[in-house]
Amino acid sequence: EPEVTQTPSHQVTQMGQEVILRCVPISNHLYFYWYRQILGQKVEFLVSFYNNEISEKSEIFDDQFSVERPDGSNFTLKIRSTKLEDSAMYFCASSEAQSSNQPQHFGDGTRLSIL
Amino acid sequence: DAKTTQPNSMESNEEEPVHLPCNHSTISGTDYIHWYRQLPSQGPEYVIHGLTSNVNNRMASLAIAEDRKSSTLILHRATLRDAAVYYCILRDLGGTSYGKLTFGQGTILTVHP
Repeated sequence: EPEVTQTPSHQVTQMGQEVILRCVPISNHLYFYWYRQILGQKVEFLVSFYNNEISEKSEIFDDQFSVERPDGSNFTLKIRSTKLEDSAMYFCASSEAQSSNQPQHFGDGTRLSIL
Repeated sequence: DAKTTQPNSMESNEEEPVHLPCNHSTISGTDYIHWYRQLPSQGPEYVIHGLTSNVNNRMASLAIAEDRKSSTLILHRATLRDAAVYYCILRDLGGTSYGKLTFGQGTILTVHP
């Protein structure tokens, strides 16, 4: 069964440094998402992406965050100047369509630790 | 998004059925009911969804009340691998949320051998 893959599985970064989290969505999917989960808290939506544009973003997704689909297979989340509070699990997801009867398929996440 | 209410935790024994309830009294006529689960150290995983009728798939069954104000996810024979956090999520068919999922705290299911 096709799956969403994320790399790296664990990223340790000094505060203030830039970090790029990478995702390979399922190949025929057109809609892409990033979520995060701070330890012990709920999974939170960050951003959705379609046709090389952001469709929707949450209040969390401020100017330090950006997303990109640099080629036909990768989908990346960049955090420009990391803060301690950015430490979390970051999950990428993809779906065939954005309609509410289409499931989203998630990767197993990247654990981001900011020191 | 309409709100859902789930018990914080439930327990089951292996090979027994599990019924996970969800209340969504403010559901609108265009809301789909979705269930996801999150196994330890993994990303959320789609389980099942429905609109009005009961649904079955290889993972589970979804029973939807006639007034749609509640639903129940049914695992027919729990295994140790079913131990996870189960999330009940409403998604608006006609909304402009562009597909985002809004997760609550979910129900932590413990399965005893």
